[in-house]
Amino acid sequence: DAGVTQSPTHLIKTRGQQVTLRCSPKSGHDTVSWYQQALGQGPQFIFQYYEEEERQRGNFPDRFSGHQFPNYSSELNVNALLLGDSALYLCASSLASGIYTGELFFGEGSRLTVL
Amino acid sequence: AQTVTQSQPEMSVQEAETVTLSCTYDTSESDYYLFWYKQPPSRQMILVIRQEAYKQQNATENRFSVNFQKAAKSFSLKISDSQLGDAAMYFCAYRSVQGGSEKLVFGKGTKLTVNP
Repeated sequence: DAGVTQSPTHLIKTRGQQVTLRCSPKSGHDTVSWYQQALGQGPQFIFQYYEEEERQRGNFPDRFSGHQFPNYSSELNVNALLLGDSALYLCASSLASGIYTGELFFGEGSRLTVL
Repeated sequence: AQTVTQSQPEMSVQEAETVTLSCTYDTSESDYYLFWYKQPPSRQMILVIRQEAYKQQNATENRFSVNFQKAAKSFSLKISDSQLGDAAMYFCAYRSVQGGSEKLVFGKGTKLTVNP
């Protein structure tokens, strides 16, 4: 049973560029959330996708956008990169039905460095 | 807005000993979930233990247990019989149950070192 997979694992960009990060949820999961984890900090919620729509959003600018595909996989796009966007980007999946158990399954993240 | 505070940036413990990690949170809600997640060097966050606020009984998962003090808004994690594999960053997290929210609010984490 494949867990949450993310790609790429590492990438380097320069200021002003755009980046796309990808996530495949755990088998059977239909909801994907994205988190940003800056160095030495806890993860911060960016947004969540369910049924191909953004269901909830954290305090992030519109430069951060996302998409969910019919197969439940998801992309995170960041435009006009800033140095402060350097972070580990974590994808988490869950099942949005029944009684919520509270457990999110996380991927290993994509480490983005902006120069 | 809810906040989660972990006041211990780093902790260390001898193998086979017991260690307690602290977490406090701030909320005006009466019902919510609290979690402890572990993040080893592999970077993958793994759920350690979960507590529902309406349950008075403290959650336990094998060597891991919590001390949930709702009135004090405190949620500490106790690791018994510490093992080398327990070395990791530990994050305390809060989730609201209002509005169908699945957003987790994390603390800044505590780095746990286990000495042989």
